Amino acid sequence: ETGVTQSPTHLIKTRGQQVTLRCSSQSGHNTVSWYQQALGQGPQFIFQYYREEENGRGNFPPRFSGLQFPNYSSELNVNALELDDSALYLCASRGTGPNTEAFFGQGTRLTVV
Amino acid sequence: AQSVTQPDIHITVSEGASLELRCNYSYGATPYLFWYVQSPGQGLQLLLKYFSGDTLVQGIKGFEAEFKRSQSSFNLRKPSVHWSDAAEYFCAVGSSGGSYIPTFGRGTSLIVHP
Repeated sequence: ETGVTQSPTHLIKTRGQQVTLRCSSQSGHNTVSWYQQALGQGPQFIFQYYREEENGRGNFPPRFSGLQFPNYSSELNVNALELDDSALYLCASRGTGPNTEAFFGQGTRLTVV
Repeated sequence: AQSVTQPDIHITVSEGASLELRCNYSYGATPYLFWYVQSPGQGLQLLLKYFSGDTLVQGIKGFEAEFKRSQSSFNLRKPSVHWSDAAEYFCAVGSSGGSYIPTFGRGTSLIVHP
């Protein structure tokens, strides 16, 4: 079990609503990235935060936004939810440098109805 | 742009048989390569990684992978599969410079028959 925790574990929202997902990174990790994993697919990179600044973004619209806090925990916000946003959302944290391993949380299963 | 192809959506093996999961990548420079495993409803666990050096990489749970630059491949192997190995396996390629963000393949589902 990694030190990365995500909340909530499951969530059901209605189309058009907004949602906030949370991630507590492993101690000492200053980089957090978020991924969307649709059913039967590999994780797709949403964005990454390093020391509270976004330093990478995948091909996701602006209604996907995020924050990283001074303690390096992070939030993913999604506005105007669409049915296709239903997926497992994964958070991963790692330390500084490209040779460091990323540790993944268990994910939040979001269902949009 | 980097990309990963896992050509097998499903692989079925008998317990005790050997396993090879295929992964081909596309990346202009020397890549960072990873294999992750995901059990149902769970997050991803790193099995092994290749950054440089010896092209045969040993990982956890008895897995190994071999980096073959000429074939742009990083296939995962295990000599004897256990029923508990049934899971989804993802190959990923990361950039060797910049902000390091791995790109994942679509995964291979491993089914183990008793």
